[in-house]
Amino acid sequence: AQSVTQLDSQVPVFEEAPVELRCNYSSSVSVYLFWYVQYPNQGLQLLLKYLSGSTLVKGINGFEAEFNKSQTSFHLRKPSVHISDTAEYFCAVSGSFQKLVFGTGTRLLVSP
Amino acid sequence: NAGVTQTPKFRILKIGQSMTLQCAQDMNHNYMYWYRQDPGMGLKLIYYSVGAGITDKGEVPNGYNVSRSTTEDFPLRLELAAPSQTSVYFCASRTGVENIQYFGAGTRLSVL
Repeated sequence: AQSVTQLDSQVPVFEEAPVELRCNYSSSVSVYLFWYVQYPNQGLQLLLKYLSGSTLVKGINGFEAEFNKSQTSFHLRKPSVHISDTAEYFCAVSGSFQKLVFGTGTRLLVSP
Repeated sequence: NAGVTQTPKFRILKIGQSMTLQCAQDMNHNYMYWYRQDPGMGLKLIYYSVGAGITDKGEVPNGYNVSRSTTEDFPLRLELAAPSQTSVYFCASRTGVENIQYFGAGTRLSVL
């Protein structure tokens, strides 16, 4: 079975500062990893995904994530955040494409 | 494109009442999912379907039922509403090839 840990429930940051949202996973099989973003009162939308190949994955809105197999991590980064990045971010893992297991989410709060 | 459409957006139920949450997708996706989202808990899978006529339980199926008579629709039924079912419910769909789940905007349900 797979599981995901997002240790930070909330990350406050100033506009134009860099940010890293942490995600660690556990799995006994090869995994596929995803980051989703949820803006207030909306559904989730995909930011980026890792299926195979390059461990550095680029997504929408300037976000990127790095798959680290030895540390079982898939941290999300952005070099310079905007007010509009304020949202909740979910890391998810799938051992097969049928089902996703989500982390508990990290709320990113960007202030001026 | 409408994508995944959920109705209603909001609903208040009394304990013991029943209701059906509707989910429809116009992308001809085979796979469909129902999740519930509770504060600080991430998303938990309730039921999923790999095609018309085929459904299976997820992580938290108790108190819910589903059916999948067509590719487009995947309704979620609550028979005897309980306060523990107060939550935000999301429906999602994906193709058999892509690994991206597309989410609806959600249904916010309160059981009082």
